[in-house]
Amino acid sequence: TQLLEQSPQFLSIQEGENLTVYCNSSSVFSSLQWYRQEPGEGPVLLVTVVTGGEVKKLKRLTFQFGDARKDSSLHITAAQPGDTGLYLCAGEGGSNYQLIWGAGTKLIIKP
Amino acid sequence: KAGVTQTPRYLIKTRGQQVTLSCSPISGHRSVSWYQQTPGQGLQFLFEYFSETQRNKGNFPGRFSGRQFSNSRSEMNVSTLELGDSALYLCASRSAGFGNTIYFGEGSWLTVV
Repeated sequence: TQLLEQSPQFLSIQEGENLTVYCNSSSVFSSLQWYRQEPGEGPVLLVTVVTGGEVKKLKRLTFQFGDARKDSSLHITAAQPGDTGLYLCAGEGGSNYQLIWGAGTKLIIKP
Repeated sequence: KAGVTQTPRYLIKTRGQQVTLSCSPISGHRSVSWYQQTPGQGLQFLFEYFSETQRNKGNFPGRFSGRQFSNSRSEMNVSTLELGDSALYLCASRSAGFGNTIYFGEGSWLTVV
């Protein structure tokens, strides 16, 4: 059974601080996606990484896919209150294109 | 193009009843997945349908079922509702192939009393 462990589960920091969220697995994924969900809405895709070692940047957000395609990280620089939300990672693998989801990281940025 | 549409948006049911939720995927998307999300929690995968066939299934009891029609629209049904079934039920669609974006609807909020 494929598992994707996401940490931390909850993070509350002050505006301007940096943070990193991790998703780790013993399984290899063909791609890994990061989503952000705001209250009352469905998750929205932030980025997809497909190549081992790949790094993608989205303004103050930096996403990295591990060399072995088993883990990924999301780093936010100078967090802002607008970054508040639930961050979810999802790894794609297996013959049936199944998505394996992390448990999510609830992020609160205090002004 | 229109997004993923879920109906109803909110509903209240009594314990023991059954409920049917509907999802219209983005045009051209043949994969529809259903998720359960309780407040503050991550997504619990229910099942995925592709071209009218269940392709993947999560670890939920048989009270949870679904189906997909030839136009890719999907329904999920929960029978003999329990208080613990109260949750946000999210539908998502995506096109075929690896690495494709999954698009979520706004969800159906189910409250069981």
